[in-house]
Amino acid sequence: GENVEQHPSTLSVQEGDSAVIKCTYSDSASNYFPWYKQELGKRPQLIIDIRSNVGEKKDQRIAVTLNKTAKHFSLHITETQPEDSAVYFCAASNPNFGNEKLTFGTGTRLTIIP
Amino acid sequence: GAGVSQSPSNKVTEKGKDVELRCDPISGHTALYWYRQSLGQGLEFLIYFQGNSAPDKSGLPSDRFSAERTGGSVSTLTIQRTQQEDSAVYLCASSPGHLYEQYFGPGTRLTVT
Repeated sequence: GENVEQHPSTLSVQEGDSAVIKCTYSDSASNYFPWYKQELGKRPQLIIDIRSNVGEKKDQRIAVTLNKTAKHFSLHITETQPEDSAVYFCAASNPNFGNEKLTFGTGTRLTIIP
Repeated sequence: GAGVSQSPSNKVTEKGKDVELRCDPISGHTALYWYRQSLGQGLEFLIYFQGNSAPDKSGLPSDRFSAERTGGSVSTLTIQRTQQEDSAVYLCASSPGHLYEQYFGPGTRLTVT
């Protein structure tokens, strides 16, 4: 089955600086890679996703890059703000029958230092 | 519109008792997922329902865990003979189908004493 590794587990960034979180996956058939943000005591929410037919996707201060050859994808947050403090989870999924679930990484706790 | 709802929000039970956790997905969503999140940990997949297909139960940790989805809508996760290691937040999510955003419910915090 799929295995997703996420690094780092914790990350502290000065407000205004950029943050990068990296994930690797094992199943080359995976073709959907979402990122979820979970604020303290709240439910996870999708912030951005990318499919394997593109290499990069951007939404305001958030961007995700995908390298299918190396089987890794990254989340980039620019001009970080205090409200970006949360736990971020990457995930991977492939469309093969019987394996349609998302496999999540272990999470990165991002702290923005004012 | 209404999001995913779960009940109860908190459940405290004694070791050895059975518990039922309920999930009401967003209307029209064909896919429904259950996850477990221990304190400060990641999201552990438990089970996945898609339409009328047989559920993917590959994440259930033991035969004490089971889930049903009646009429393609409401789902119930049942844990029999609860153990202290079952203590966690149980999250339900639904989506319009595979490769679409999963919308999470608020979770049920289960504490086994």
